[in-house]
Amino acid sequence: SAVISQKPSRDICQRGTSLTIQCQVDSQVTMMFWYRQQPGQSLTLIATANQGSEATYESGFVIDKFPISRPNLTFSTLTVSNMSPEDSSIYLCSVRQGMAEAFFGQGTRLTVV
Amino acid sequence: RKEVEQDPGPFNVPEGATVAFNCTYSNSASQSFFWYRQDCRKEPKLLMSVYSSGNEDGRFTAQLNRASQYISLLIRDSKLSDSATYLCAVFSGNTGKLIFGQGTTLQVKP
Repeated sequence: SAVISQKPSRDICQRGTSLTIQCQVDSQVTMMFWYRQQPGQSLTLIATANQGSEATYESGFVIDKFPISRPNLTFSTLTVSNMSPEDSSIYLCSVRQGMAEAFFGQGTRLTVV
Repeated sequence: RKEVEQDPGPFNVPEGATVAFNCTYSNSASQSFFWYRQDCRKEPKLLMSVYSSGNEDGRFTAQLNRASQYISLLIRDSKLSDSATYLCAVFSGNTGKLIFGQGTTLQVKP
């Protein structure tokens, strides 16, 4: 299984600001994803981070709000832009090889005040 | 209809009980199936993959019913440490996405 380091682990941010979350994997992986988990809810896929090209966003998520970078096969960032209290959530980086199981970073617990 | 559905529970059971969770999925092209465990304020961790023939890992048994499009997780001899949220996840080859159910909360009581 891949070892995934995600940071920051938590942050409290002012509304209107932006936060960039980093995800570092200890090996090259084909697929990297970003999920959001709101309190008491399951995981919602935000986007697939594509290496060397623009991310593929799910319905309800847009690049202007959640820009994603993936410069290589071991690293990705997710930025939560122009934050509002509704963005308060846990953001999780995930990796997967093909149809195999997914592994997760420790998550970033974001509170917007 | 959600792509992957679970009964959110909570399931409150005594120690030693046997408990079963089901998870239904709507995409008949789904190819891989998993059960994850998520402890409070932690990331989901893989509990087990679900194979067509069914599979067992100690007290845990997972089964797949393709005809009825559901997977199940059976926990025997429940322990206090089994208290957690159990998430099913379904991978669809035609979308390339891993979709999670809303999770089932289990509380094992002494």
